[in-house]
Amino acid sequence: SAVISQKPSRDICQRGTSLTIQCQVDSQVTMMFWYRQQPGQSLTLIATANQGSEATYESGFVIDKFPISRPNLTFSTLTVSNMSPEDSSIYLCSVLTGMDEKLFFGSGTQLSVL
Amino acid sequence: SQQGEEDPQALSIQEGENATMNCSYKTSINNLQWYRQNSGRGLVHLILIRSNEREKHSGRLRVTLDTSKKSSSLLITASRAADTASYFCATLGSNDYKLSFGAGTTVTVRA
Repeated sequence: SAVISQKPSRDICQRGTSLTIQCQVDSQVTMMFWYRQQPGQSLTLIATANQGSEATYESGFVIDKFPISRPNLTFSTLTVSNMSPEDSSIYLCSVLTGMDEKLFFGSGTQLSVL
Repeated sequence: SQQGEEDPQALSIQEGENATMNCSYKTSINNLQWYRQNSGRGLVHLILIRSNEREKHSGRLRVTLDTSKKSSSLLITASRAADTASYFCATLGSNDYKLSFGAGTTVTVRA
C-alpha cells in the first residue's frame, strides 16, 4: 500500500495566476499520475509523471499549461499555469506501487479560479 | 481516455437494501476495477477482477464481469449510510499501464 500526502487540499485563485500542487508518497513507487476531475465529472488523466525526465501528457494537455516535476521516486508536483475559471476542478495525484495493479490516491486538491 | 459508461448515473436506496450498478467498456481489458469516492475527495480502491474471472466477492461487495458483453456490475448488499458515495469503474487495457475511468454512479443510502 501507499500513503499519499497531497497539498494544498483546496485553494481559491485569481485568473492568470499559477498554483503548484505537491504529492508526497511514504514509499518509493513505480508510477505517479495526475488526474483532473471537473465538477460532476469522472477522472481524466492529465499525465504520467516520469522520474528524472519529462512527463508524458495525454491528448489535450500540454506541458506549458500543466508543467510536472518528479525529482525522485516519492515526490511530484503539478503546476496549473495561467489559470482561468475553466481550470476549476479537483486535481488528484495517484500512484502505482509496483506490487499492486490498483491505484492509490491522494485526497485531492479542490481548485476554484475566480 | 475515458471508455467506461456506467448506469444508473444516480441511485437512491433505503438502508438495508442492495445497490447494483453497471459498467460497460469498449476495448479489450487486462482487468476491471471499482473505486469509491466520498464527497469529491480521493478515490479508494474496492475490488479488482481480471479478464479471465467471472465473479469476485469482497465482504458486502460482489463484482461480475462479462467480457463477451464488455460489461461489469457491482452489487453492494445490505447497504449502510456510510456507503453513500460515488462509485467508478476503471479498466486497464490489454496493452496499457493507465486506467480509464467510467462516468460514475452516485449512490445515496437513506437511513
